[in-house]
Amino acid sequence: GDSVTQTEGLVTLTEGLPVMLNCTYQTIYSNPFLFWYVQHLNESPRLLLKSFTDNKRTEHQGFHATLHKSSSSFHLQKSSAQLSDSALYYCALSEPNSAGNKLTFGIGTRVLVRP
Amino acid sequence: DPKIIQKPKYLVAVTGSEKILICEQYLGHNAMYWYRQSAKKPLEFMFSYSYQKLMDNQTASSRFQPQSSKKNHLDLQITALKPDDSATYFCASSQFGTNTEVFFGKGTRLTVV
Repeated sequence: GDSVTQTEGLVTLTEGLPVMLNCTYQTIYSNPFLFWYVQHLNESPRLLLKSFTDNKRTEHQGFHATLHKSSSSFHLQKSSAQLSDSALYYCALSEPNSAGNKLTFGIGTRVLVRP
Repeated sequence: DPKIIQKPKYLVAVTGSEKILICEQYLGHNAMYWYRQSAKKPLEFMFSYSYQKLMDNQTASSRFQPQSSKKNHLDLQITALKPDDSATYFCASSQFGTNTEVFFGKGTRLTVV
């Protein structure tokens, strides 16, 4: 079945420094959809970014990611972290013909931004 | 105002008992889902429903039964509860189809003792 692998555990960084969270995936489908969801403390997960176009950068709220099918990767980046970016980040995959829009999530990466 | 309402927010249950987790969405979506988030595990897809019909079931155990009385309701009945069922259960919804944004509720945290 599908699987998503992310940087595990806690990533701690200083405000103003760049952020990069790794995400790689495995799927039998040639046209998967990739997503980044963010979950702040005591909140529900919400969509941050999505893409299904190879080698096209997608951006939202200062974050960006590019789907690279050649390396099965969809890394999340931000040039300058803010304190409010502290949250749990999930990379997720959806099959192109999923009857029920099933999302397969990675384990999640917790980000802590310090002043 | 929350658009996906889950009740209760917290739930403690005794092993062997039965509970129902409630979910209503007011986003006008035609597809609803249940996901589970256990400690040290990724968010895990359980069910998807569209127009009150089961579309996908990735839950091996028949102890988990979704119930849809209305288009915007998808409750989750769990019978013969076990401590391993302890998790946060998220209800979600979207427009039916791939690549549509899935919106999540705030979850019900279930603890089975």
